[in-house]
Amino acid sequence: EVQLLESGGGLVQPGGSLRLSCVASGFTFSSSGMSWVRQAPGKGLEWVSLFHNEHGNTDTYYADSVKGRFAISRDNSRNTLYLQMNSLRADDTAFYYCAKGRGDYWGQGTLVTVSS
Amino acid sequence: DVVVTQSPLSLSVTLGQPASISCRSSQSLVFTDGDTYLNWFHQRPGQSPRRLIYKVSNRDSGVPDRFSGSGSGTDFTLKISRVEAEDIGVYYCMHSIQWPWTFGQGTKVEIK
Repeated sequence: EVQLLESGGGLVQPGGSLRLSCVASGFTFSSSGMSWVRQAPGKGLEWVSLFHNEHGNTDTYYADSVKGRFAISRDNSRNTLYLQMNSLRADDTAFYYCAKGRGDYWGQGTLVTVSS
Repeated sequence: DVVVTQSPLSLSVTLGQPASISCRSSQSLVFTDGDTYLNWFHQRPGQSPRRLIYKVSNRDSGVPDRFSGSGSGTDFTLKISRVEAEDIGVYYCMHSIQWPWTFGQGTKVEIK
């Protein structure tokens, strides 16, 4: 059974940093593309960052809204995906979901609140 | 960037009746490999999104066969043949043909 378990969310002041983690199980993590998707309270979905692994492409991608502030990384030995979030702003407040591939599996999400 | 636009944004349906959601993209979603990267997701209140349909018309494992996807190029449709109570929530189409992958605005489905 595929499982994705996010952690690391919480309350942080504007300008602060957080690192989210997503521990994966039930599939071959090292050969899977992985992503972070967020959803502000009551709003729609935004694909924040992608660690691609398809058609020979293993690049990383970022939404314009987080480029230069967020960094996606992975530790295949620990089956873990990370999202380092720096210079956080109020509009980064959202549930952050870890997703496998093109969204075939999702975690339960972790809430990040940026507020003073 | 590719923009995907859904309609309607809300839908009130009688139990047992059909429902249909449209998704239109600003450019063709056919990739160089010949596949069309248009997916449909469902999100119930308080839950994570769940993918229902991938590459236009392929149902994910465990998705009831009352859900079907169709379309080509830039015009796509999600159909529910007979709406059940568990189908309430928000439905999103999403493209993954090029970065940034983007979702439609979402269609909120409620029961009359």
